[in-house]
Amino acid sequence: DAKTTQPPSMDCAEGRAANLPCNHSTISGNEYVYWYRQIHSQGPQYIIHGLKNNETNEMASLIITEDRKSSTLILPHATLRDTAVYYCIVRVGVTGGGNKLTFGTGTQLKVEL
Amino acid sequence: GAVVSQHPSWVICKSGTSVKIECRSLDFQATTMFWYRQFPKQSLMLMATSNEGSKATYEQGVEKDKFLINHASLTLSTLTVTSAHPEDSSFYICSAINRDNEKLFFGSGTQLSVL
Repeated sequence: DAKTTQPPSMDCAEGRAANLPCNHSTISGNEYVYWYRQIHSQGPQYIIHGLKNNETNEMASLIITEDRKSSTLILPHATLRDTAVYYCIVRVGVTGGGNKLTFGTGTQLKVEL
Repeated sequence: GAVVSQHPSWVICKSGTSVKIECRSLDFQATTMFWYRQFPKQSLMLMATSNEGSKATYEQGVEKDKFLINHASLTLSTLTVTSAHPEDSSFYICSAINRDNEKLFFGSGTQLSVL
């Protein structure tokens, strides 16, 4: 699976949008971009994933560049409860034969008043 | 609600004893489950891939006789830490893939403390 690069930490004011970047310059054509977050002492929580097109759900939006070498996770209105480590992961989808998720160091997002 | 249930959430045991951790997919079938461990302030490290009805595939450096994995049904995988020692103390997390929608869900984790 391709490696990803994320900033180690970011701060965000409550109520503002949090934009978390991720570089995955070696991504292959059949690899998806996944985002998870982990709140202290809990299992990772699925946020969103995409292949080529931008995606939006009730939690966040995922913007993938046209060349797919980078992406941005957007939390539109961050709250204190969004404070967590956010992991950007790329992997081949199940039908592509690759199942493993390899975690990098992630971005520690701190949402402050 | 949680779609992957992991039990127990925490366990304290004496050195030399064995500990079993269960991972269940609640509303989908999971032919593949994964086991991770995480030390404080570090990222998740994949230990092994658990395949229903076959032997688990272990990552390099993970002792298969130390960490026994059984995936006897499409909804249950177990990890047994045998003859646990203090250095095995860690946060263990399982995950399972829902093949219908490509999503991978995680359990809530098990904090193991070996005295």
